[in-house]
Amino acid sequence: GIQVEQSPPDLILQEGANSTLRCNFSDSVNNLQWFHQNPWGQLINLFYIPSGTKQNGRLSATTVATERYSLLYISSSQTTDSGVYFCAVGGEETSGSRLTFGEGTQLTVNP
Amino acid sequence: KAGVTQTPRYLIKTRGQQVTLSCSPISGHRSVSWYQQTPGQGLQFLFEYFSETQRNKGNFPGRFSGRQFSNSRSEMNVSTLELGDSALYLCASSFQGAGNEQFFGPGTRLTVL
Repeated sequence: GIQVEQSPPDLILQEGANSTLRCNFSDSVNNLQWFHQNPWGQLINLFYIPSGTKQNGRLSATTVATERYSLLYISSSQTTDSGVYFCAVGGEETSGSRLTFGEGTQLTVNP
Repeated sequence: KAGVTQTPRYLIKTRGQQVTLSCSPISGHRSVSWYQQTPGQGLQFLFEYFSETQRNKGNFPGRFSGRQFSNSRSEMNVSTLELGDSALYLCASSFQGAGNEQFFGPGTRLTVL
């Protein structure tokens, strides 16, 4: 099946710093989503981005499907950005809506 | 539009028991998927239901089963619980499934003693 790798596994920043999280995947995809998992466990949708670039406030994401990677940019980070960020992909070869998740990036933003 | 809801939010069971978790998708969504999250294995796909039919299945033993009703609500059942079944169980809904954006519920945290 499709493989998903996220980097870095851990990231510690000072408030106000910028960061880039990376997601590499091993096959063609028909779905790519970025999530932020809140302290209670819920996955919050950040971006649905199987290709192209999107921006939402201080966050933006780019997926280069032909090169099989996606990037999540966080600018002017805030302590509330802390948590785990997941990339999840749906492979074109899989039927249905199965998502394969990366292992996540644990982000800590210190005041 | 209301989001995905899951009940119960927390559950404590003992080994050997069985448990049923429920998921109500976003109105109009017909695909419901289930995932298990554990510290050791991360987020893993259990199965997907679409129009009351299981459309896709992950690599879990037969003790894990599910179903979907005509209103798209879904239940998953775990029989003969093991300690290793302690996990956060997340349900996701999407309009039709493949290639569609998925939205997750708050999860059910199951503890098996």
